[in-house]
Amino acid sequence: DADVTQTPRNRITKTGKRIMLECSQTKGHDRMYWYRQDPGLGLRLIYYSFDVKDINKGEISDGYSVSRQAQAKFSLSLESAIPNQTALYFCATSAGAVNEKLFFGSGTQLSVL
Amino acid sequence: GDSVTQMEGPVTLSEEAFLTINCTYTATGYPSLFWYVQYPGEGLQLLLKATKADDKGSNKGFEATYRKETTSFHLEKGSVQVSDSAVYFCALASGGSYIPTFGRGTSLIVHP
Repeated sequence: DADVTQTPRNRITKTGKRIMLECSQTKGHDRMYWYRQDPGLGLRLIYYSFDVKDINKGEISDGYSVSRQAQAKFSLSLESAIPNQTALYFCATSAGAVNEKLFFGSGTQLSVL
Repeated sequence: GDSVTQMEGPVTLSEEAFLTINCTYTATGYPSLFWYVQYPGEGLQLLLKATKADDKGSNKGFEATYRKETTSFHLEKGSVQVSDSAVYFCALASGGSYIPTFGRGTSLIVHP
């Protein structure tokens, strides 16, 4: 089983709909992140959480919200989806030290029509 | 703030050619530097890292040297294979929070 699991893998929705992307991990890491990937723009940080009671905005948090339900679960919500939120979304985890790598899920491709 | 600049792609090479993907950074303090690789349809995975000046990270035939004087961390491989076709991301982590900052990614296409 994957260490970081994202669901769904693909989602097509309509403008104005509420969408939730889910992430769960078996790494035992405290830190979890949500990034979005757009062609030519690389990865941009949406939200991050250093533990269950800690939630922080990243560089592009507008239009998104998150919930850290447990150490292992971190979900991303789009309250009212818009077409420019069409992107590939990645969840990642890390142990937190400066030398520690991120572990990524396989991504969720979201299309907003 | 921290930033990473990578050469734009795609980089197109024939099998067994030499690869260089340039990466330069701006950061306060002494960051750790990383290269991640994203194969088609997958998430990113760490390729190599270096944590201090003059360190060389290496993995799967890829190498990168942490050059503090030129603030660079260029990725090299002596002989690429078709299976190396992927998107490569340079990243850094520094400061108290150690949240990684990524470059825009460079697509590599290797032809037989």
